[in-house]
Amino acid sequence: GAVVSQHPSWVICKSGTSVKIECRSLDFQATTMFWYRQFPKQSLMLMATSNEGSKATYEQGVEKDKFLINHASLTLSTLTVTSAHPEDSSFYICSADRSNSPLHFGNGTRLTVT
Amino acid sequence: DAKTTQPPSMDCAEGRAANLPCNHSTISGNEYVYWYRQIHSQGPQYIIHGLKNNETNEMASLIITEDRKSSTLILPHATLRDTAVYYCIVRSYGQNFVFGPGTRLSVLP
Repeated sequence: GAVVSQHPSWVICKSGTSVKIECRSLDFQATTMFWYRQFPKQSLMLMATSNEGSKATYEQGVEKDKFLINHASLTLSTLTVTSAHPEDSSFYICSADRSNSPLHFGNGTRLTVT
Repeated sequence: DAKTTQPPSMDCAEGRAANLPCNHSTISGNEYVYWYRQIHSQGPQYIIHGLKNNETNEMASLIITEDRKSSTLILPHATLRDTAVYYCIVRSYGQNFVFGPGTRLSVLP
């Protein structure tokens, strides 16, 4: 079946540095990928919709200059958290949309900013 | 906002059927009902989806009422590994998946 791979699964970084998270669709092409964020004991919140070859669409309240999304190919989208701060510590999850198929999710990336 | 309402938590005895309800009274004609679950510190896992007919796969059964305003996910023989948060989502193709708080199912030995 369809698989979405997310890397890294966890990362610890210092405040002020940038972190890149990759999301790959392994056996299908995804024109659309979604990025979610999940704080402890809360549900997933959509951050942005990533479309291959065009600019991402960000949800209200999500800073596009802080959370840079690049969807340069049909199998790869990246989320870069720039100038990370402790409040950016969270569980980041991507998903990839495949036509006529349920949405498939990666296993998430736990970001800890110290 | 999520278009669904689910109980915040449920318990189920191991080996028994787990019946998880979901209300989606404002569902529109082209929206499917999807069920996902999330085990701690993992991404959501797809379980099943349907439009208006009942569906069954190797994981679960989905019962959708005739008016489509509610549905029930049935795990026929719950195991300890089924302990997770279960999300009921309504969505038409191309729309975002909007997650509500879900139901935290605890399978008890």
